Amino acid sequence: NAGVTQTPKFRVLKTGQSMTLLCAQDMNHEYMYWYRQDPGMGLRLIHYSVGEGTTAKGEVPDGYNVSRLKKQNFLLGLESAAPSQTSVYFCASSYSISGADGYTFGSGTRLTVV
Amino acid sequence: AQKITQTQPGMFVQEKEAVTLDCTYDTSDQSYGLFWYKQPSSGEMIFLIYQGSYDEQNATEGRYSLNFQKARKSANLVISASQLGDSAMYFCAMREGLGANDYKLSFGAGTTVTVRA
Repeated sequence: NAGVTQTPKFRVLKTGQSMTLLCAQDMNHEYMYWYRQDPGMGLRLIHYSVGEGTTAKGEVPDGYNVSRLKKQNFLLGLESAAPSQTSVYFCASSYSISGADGYTFGSGTRLTVV
Repeated sequence: AQKITQTQPGMFVQEKEAVTLDCTYDTSDQSYGLFWYKQPSSGEMIFLIYQGSYDEQNATEGRYSLNFQKARKSANLVISASQLGDSAMYFCAMREGLGANDYKLSFGAGTTVTVRA
């Protein structure tokens, strides 16, 4: 099925380790986003991209980096993981400017930093 | 400042009854969009319904309807004829700034709905 695929689904990291989360979409969407979800706080935007080769900071960008070298892929990197980055990470994409067709979300990555 | 406020952390509803989930928002933009998403216990985010700020009619999608009151800045979700499968967390979200190079969603904290048989 077409959609947004996130890998991995689960990961445990030690403090200070690095990792990359991959988001891939096959819907030819221009816009892609990385969110984190924490209890009682809804989803908060980390970084986003409005097209291939472009990225921008969201609400909570510190400690994360992103890249969008190909239109279909949006990578989220943690250079030196901290326990505060324990969260569920969601990638999303959208086609239209308005988003009226609904942003499509991946199934999430549950990350634990110990 | 919170852009999206959902004041009900949790709600119980009897099967086959209707339930209203509250959402208020804060924006100075004239053009914006409002969304509701469902997140079941499996974790995925499921798009339910969309309302544009210029839409004169309230949005409806099957058993879901959005009660849009622009002057009050509220966008309540009504689920009619609740089913057991409606038990989930529900998020209200807003996209501001159509025309600006910024298309992100801002989310509320969510409301957990539990449907009782």
